[in-house]
Amino acid sequence: SQQGEEDPQALSIQEGENATMNCSYKTSINNLQWYRQNSGRGLVHLILIRSNEREKHSGRLRVTLDTSKKSSSLLITASRAADTASYFCATVLNNNAGNMLTFGGGTRLMVKP
Amino acid sequence: EAGVAQSPRYKIIEKRQSVAFWCNPISGHATLYWYQQILGQGPKLLIQFQNNGVVDDSQLPKDRFSAERLKGVDSTLKIQPAKLEDSAVYLCASSLMGTRGSPLHFGNGTRLTVT
Repeated sequence: SQQGEEDPQALSIQEGENATMNCSYKTSINNLQWYRQNSGRGLVHLILIRSNEREKHSGRLRVTLDTSKKSSSLLITASRAADTASYFCATVLNNNAGNMLTFGGGTRLMVKP
Repeated sequence: EAGVAQSPRYKIIEKRQSVAFWCNPISGHATLYWYQQILGQGPKLLIQFQNNGVVDDSQLPKDRFSAERLKGVDSTLKIQPAKLEDSAVYLCASSLMGTRGSPLHFGNGTRLTVT
């Protein structure tokens, strides 16, 4: 099974609302990354958070990491229609010599204007 | 900076045929990745190169898939022979240092349909 699993699988909100997506993982990580994918396009990196960090911000994005619960969340504030996309968390394990980046199944976010 | 370039954008082949995908990473990026993304799922790593050496190919179906990165720059991924279950988007990505130090930059992918 995949290392990271996002919750919910799908989310529909109105423009201006906040969107929260969660990611859970199973084993100790070196870092966790969030990516966005618009339909028919490649993935775009959003934020990288290391295992010794608890929170990071980038514009309207806020990512938290709780290593005791093996979980992370991505918060998008004041959402816009352009935020409609799939969002993926990905993890690099601590014991992975190859440093493989493993993706979860994603959360499909729809922001209605 | 120019992004990761992939070609072709779309490919339709019949099962048992062969196909090849090409990727040109961002200049100066030492690490190159090929991912397979089946519709509705997250990307799955097939192979990871550091310069022209393979770092991880544990999830590459080696009986039908092969990849090379000549001179540590461009890369090709080949499938021979293709199966119906190979229908997916094949994404190439590159990074400056590797997954512990730098984010991945993705191309727009090649959508493969096997009929």
